[in-house]
Amino acid sequence: DAGVIQSPRHEVTEMGQEVTLRCKPISGHNSLFWYRQTMMRGLELLIYFNNNVPIDDSGMPEDRFSAKMPNASFSTLKIQPSEPRDSAVYFCASSLEGRARQFFGPGTRLTVL
Amino acid sequence: GESVGLHLPTLSVQEGDNSIINCAYSNSASDYFIWYKQESGKGPQFIIDIRSNMDKRQGQRVTVLLNKTVKHLSLQIAATQPGDSAVYFCAESFGNEKLTFGTGTRLTIIP
Repeated sequence: DAGVIQSPRHEVTEMGQEVTLRCKPISGHNSLFWYRQTMMRGLELLIYFNNNVPIDDSGMPEDRFSAKMPNASFSTLKIQPSEPRDSAVYFCASSLEGRARQFFGPGTRLTVL
Repeated sequence: GESVGLHLPTLSVQEGDNSIINCAYSNSASDYFIWYKQESGKGPQFIIDIRSNMDKRQGQRVTVLLNKTVKHLSLQIAATQPGDSAVYFCAESFGNEKLTFGTGTRLTIIP
């Protein structure tokens, strides 16, 4: 029974490069969440989707960040251009519609040099 | 603004003892609360949850207590084991919408 799948697990890139993080939610889950975790700011919600539609993107730091969910089984978080301050662990989580309990993926550790 | 905060950032407990991790929340309308455990290098993992119509819920070795009067949530872990060492997060939600997470408490089990 697969949980939330994220790829890559680790990403090292240089400042200015485009970064794309990927997430496959648990099958049957209607809601998907992207978080960023840092020592300084803790766990921050960036954006979440219900039935593939973005509901709240108020946590997206700036226009360099964008997220898409083209179908129920796939979402991407893109950073273009990336900056060193974007270095963090990015988590994807999913839940059943109408249920607050979220299931988290293993995260992608992003390092921007 | 609304926030969820933890009283203590770190907690050290002797192996075998019970531990209590506390959490304060500020949104009196929150109706769902949840505790997650995050081990190093992993994503947060569900431990236990509770709805606002309850004040106590028990799981295996864990108990969550909810005091709505003072807007306080606690997680009790009985007979702690080395595997309990992790960061513990509380989170709240209203109407099954997004979760608002606290800053986390690092629990260290002393052998």
